[in-house]
Amino acid sequence: GDSVVQTEGQVLPSEGDSLIVNCSYETTQYPSLFWYVQYPGEGPQLHLKAMKANDKGRNKGFEAMYRKETTSFHLEKDSVQESDSAVYFCALSDRSSASKIIFGSGTRLSIRP
Amino acid sequence: NAGVTQTPKFRVLKTGQSMTLLCAQDMNHEYMYWYRQDPGMGLRLIHYSVGEGTTAKGEVPDGYNVSRLKKQNFLLGLESAAPSQTSVYFCASSKTGGDHTGELFFGEGSRLTVL
Repeated sequence: GDSVVQTEGQVLPSEGDSLIVNCSYETTQYPSLFWYVQYPGEGPQLHLKAMKANDKGRNKGFEAMYRKETTSFHLEKDSVQESDSAVYFCALSDRSSASKIIFGSGTRLSIRP
Repeated sequence: NAGVTQTPKFRVLKTGQSMTLLCAQDMNHEYMYWYRQDPGMGLRLIHYSVGEGTTAKGEVPDGYNVSRLKKQNFLLGLESAAPSQTSVYFCASSKTGGDHTGELFFGEGSRLTVL
């Protein structure tokens, strides 16, 4: 079945550092890809998305490129801020059924001041 | 501007007790979902519904039942709670249609503890 893998449970960059959070996926279909962000005490919310191969999602300085050849959707930022601290989930939606959204295990981003 | 509302926010149960979590959305969305969130395991889909009167199983449906009698409501039931069902439960909804983008709108979560 479909799956999303996030290899880092937590990352601890310092403010101003660059960031890459890894996400790889497995599916037999043609997914849309998403990053959701969850702040303490809240439900997740959509952070950015890419609907097809070679699309790039962007939001608040974060970017993620939909790479079909490597089945990856890594989240990147040039310079992180303390306010970026949150849990980030990578997710896919199978466009052929469009019903199920499958999430990765999440990566906690904790920015050191 | 309510969006997705979950009740109750917190609940403590004893093993074997039953309870129902209620989710209500005011965005006229067709699709609704129940996820559970556990440390290190992300969000796992329990059940979902693509419209009033329909439900389907997700990744981890055992021990749960759901009903979608009204479009705006999606109920999650635990008939006989077990400690393994201690978790934070999230309800979500989304649009449907030809350009369904998969964007989910989540509630604030319901924290359930089973002793």
